Amino acid sequence: DQQVKQNSPSLSVQEGRISILNCDYTNSMFDYFLWYKKYPAEGPTFLISISSIKDKNEDGRFTVFLNKSAKHLSLHIVPSQPGDSAVYFCAATPLTSGSRLTFGEGTQLTVNP
Amino acid sequence: NAGVMQNPRHLVRRRGQEARLRCSPMKGHSHVYWYRQLPEEGLKFMVYLQKENIIDESGMPKERFSAEFPKEGPSILRIQQVVRGDSAAYFCASSPVQASDTEAFFGQGTRLTVV
Repeated sequence: DQQVKQNSPSLSVQEGRISILNCDYTNSMFDYFLWYKKYPAEGPTFLISISSIKDKNEDGRFTVFLNKSAKHLSLHIVPSQPGDSAVYFCAATPLTSGSRLTFGEGTQLTVNP
Repeated sequence: NAGVMQNPRHLVRRRGQEARLRCSPMKGHSHVYWYRQLPEEGLKFMVYLQKENIIDESGMPKERFSAEFPKEGPSILRIQQVVRGDSAAYFCASSPVQASDTEAFFGQGTRLTVV
């Protein structure tokens, strides 16, 4: 039962353009959503998060949008840079569960110079 | 302030041996989480511990796997009688409190290979 799904295993964009990574979830108990970035042979690094009381959160080049009715969130990176090339994981958790996160399968983003 | 430290980074075990993975949380963090990432998959929650307490082990296989976080020293994930299917990357994360609006910080992982 995959409660968090990232349907695109990979995404390729040109440097300077927008990258949009998508994530869907099925568990209505999820209240808090996070995006992590992961380079090979390293642990995930926190990028940005959003609570279910908001529909948008922005931090520099990164913006996360949450559509609760559709149980969908997306991460926008603009402008994309070659250093953004990594695997991006969407994660979710209920408010009461702390950092017991449910992760998606990940999307490999490649930003071409 | 050192990050989450995991060791060893790479561990090779023969089938039937025991694997011990260690995790030292960030300074000031008293909550530890273990995750496993199988090849081509996302991270899967295994167990959540506080000092001397297992809070949630709902993601742990019922047999051969155990975890502890003693009063002194690192958290240990122990896998007895390893099998090929245990080959994976094991990540530890820590947080200062159990708060949903606090992101967990991850270590670099231990890559276990069972031969």
